[in-house]
Amino acid sequence: QSALTQPRSVSGSPGQSVTISCTGTSSDVGGYNYVSWYQQHPGKAPKLMIYDVNKRPSGVPDRFSGSKSGNTASLTISGLQGDDEADYYCCSYAGSYTFVFGGGTKVTVL
Amino acid sequence: EVQLVESGGGLVQPGGSLRLSCAASGLTFSSYAMSWVRQAPGKGLEWVSGISGSGGSTYYADSVKGRFTIFRDNSKNTLYLQMNSLRAEDTAVYYCAKEVYNSGWPDDAFDIWGQGTMVTVSS
Repeated sequence: QSALTQPRSVSGSPGQSVTISCTGTSSDVGGYNYVSWYQQHPGKAPKLMIYDVNKRPSGVPDRFSGSKSGNTASLTISGLQGDDEADYYCCSYAGSYTFVFGGGTKVTVL
Repeated sequence: EVQLVESGGGLVQPGGSLRLSCAASGLTFSSYAMSWVRQAPGKGLEWVSGISGSGGSTYYADSVKGRFTIFRDNSKNTLYLQMNSLRAEDTAVYYCAKEVYNSGWPDDAFDIWGQGTMVTVSS
């Protein structure tokens, strides 16, 4: 159950796009289409932003999109806004009803 | 509106025990698998344990297997985590989280989270 690999930080100016990668193995990210992404502001609970690789829950702006290729999933935030500044975590189903999270990526809006 | 409210956190000595609770409202509780996810201070999220909607099947991360027990009382719409033989590295905010689909199995994503309850293991 090794953590998925995410960059520690990414940054962008308002209006720009940023992409966060999430690399796992064929036993988790590559083996299932059950990758999800969570946004967490300081002191708050995580919020689901993307599930099943590329589905958005009701209320999540379409500026947020997800994709996957092989063992790497990605979250793209388009039209970056100030409130997007937060920590983002990827998560993958890892078989046998277990899950593994990434280490988290801090998104900074310049 | 679906809500999850955790309770039971606190300060406990190494080797001690603690039971966390998660009260759910606004959903058909027994239809959804549930999980506990923790976050050590300044660190990332770690999946700890999951349970099927019926409560008949339970799953654990290697880091807590044999020490923690997840269970639920569907008649009370409440999820629990019994934590024994606690260690300093178990210090974290513990969140309960609801499975996104009502399949009854913990196998996809977590769409509703509680506010978290802090557990501190220290002498």
